[in-house]
Amino acid sequence: GAGVSQSPSNKVTEKGKDVELRCDPISGHTALYWYRQSLGQGLEFLIYFQGNSAPDKSGLPSDRFSAERTGGSVSTLTIQRTQQEDSAVYLCASSLRGGATDTQYFGPGTRLTVL
Amino acid sequence: GDSVTQMEGPVTLSEEAFLTINCTYTATGYPSLFWYVQYPGEGLQLLLKATKADDKGSNKGFEATYRKETTSFHLEKGSVQVSDSAVYFCALRGGAQKLVFGQGTRLTINP
Repeated sequence: GAGVSQSPSNKVTEKGKDVELRCDPISGHTALYWYRQSLGQGLEFLIYFQGNSAPDKSGLPSDRFSAERTGGSVSTLTIQRTQQEDSAVYLCASSLRGGATDTQYFGPGTRLTVL
Repeated sequence: GDSVTQMEGPVTLSEEAFLTINCTYTATGYPSLFWYVQYPGEGLQLLLKATKADDKGSNKGFEATYRKETTSFHLEKGSVQVSDSAVYFCALRGGAQKLVFGQGTRLTINP
């Protein structure tokens, strides 16, 4: 079956520009997560959506980062006024219900390079 | 807060060697524990998991046992193959819904 998909796969932007990254979770999964993988920081949690509940934004590194999830499905991560330290691979994951034992399934990621 | 510490890499072994990648954790309560693998050019994939103490997760010849007394979840495989070359991540999921990852261990298997 279809897994988590993300677009674009690669994004190169100039410092100061805004970028939008998209995630399509597995159909029927109510929980959606964003993580960031960078050389210096490893894999870090960014934000978590579960159904209609308020998202857990505790991992967002600054107010330049925001995310939304429309209709309980597709999610967009937006980074405003990008900085070079934002360069990383942004990973999206989804799980069936968000329970503690649920498996999170990851997408292939979007590699963001800020020049 | 919750944290995961795993064996630093890179690790290089010959085919058919025995593999251990150490992983220890710090968490309040009783987290679920996971090993994820990232093959070259691919995304993160769940390798195995254990959700309570003394559970053993296994997949593709890999095993890991949830040891509450030593707060460990070491990954083992009796005979590695070239195709096992990848980066391995230990992770936990505690009271919050997020996964907390270790720093990753790059494994290279030589024929």
